[in-house]
Amino acid sequence: KAGVTQTPRYLIKTRGQQVTLSCSPISGHRSVSWYQQTPGQGLQFLFEYFSETQRNKGNFPGRFSGRQFSNSRSEMNVSTLELGDSALYLCASSLLLAASYEQYFGPGTRLTVT
Amino acid sequence: SQQGEEDPQALSIQEGENATMNCSYKTSINNLQWYRQNSGRGLVHLILIRSNEREKHSGRLRVTLDTSKKSSSLLITASRAADTASYFCATDEEGGSEKLVFGKGTKLTVNP
Repeated sequence: KAGVTQTPRYLIKTRGQQVTLSCSPISGHRSVSWYQQTPGQGLQFLFEYFSETQRNKGNFPGRFSGRQFSNSRSEMNVSTLELGDSALYLCASSLLLAASYEQYFGPGTRLTVT
Repeated sequence: SQQGEEDPQALSIQEGENATMNCSYKTSINNLQWYRQNSGRGLVHLILIRSNEREKHSGRLRVTLDTSKKSSSLLITASRAADTASYFCATDEEGGSEKLVFGKGTKLTVNP
């Protein structure tokens, strides 16, 4: 069974731009969660989508948004990029809601904002 | 917000030794999960333990959960150099919000 894939793997953007990251979950998984990982703040929950609906949201500004498609693939978007948005963005999928089931993580997208 | 906190922050041992990492959390939970992350890569799920369970095993891994003390421990027996990684505990937040919240992790180094 193919694992979770994330594209692109690396991205360099400048302040003020916007970016879209993509995540393809494991086949049959209905939940997709997004996390931001930085050395200072660690792993922080962004949001979780289940059956195309946002089920949970972390404490991030409205510049961070996401969506899930009918095939469970998910995208997250960050608008008006700031230097502090430089991070590893991880996507994870699970059969059902993430808090109750093991999550399978993708390799991440490393975003650098200059 | 941080729910689980791992201890120690860093641990260095020799191959063949056992490694124990602890996780403490603040509020009631339904589940606690442990994950491993090799440098700069995605996380790998190790074990999920539910609040009504006290101990779980998976190969060389043993996880215990003490809900009265709001703590969990991960024991890796007969460690190998390949076990070098960061280990995170994750818990669901209080109130059934279903969010999964990760601690800051324990960085384990196993020296050959």
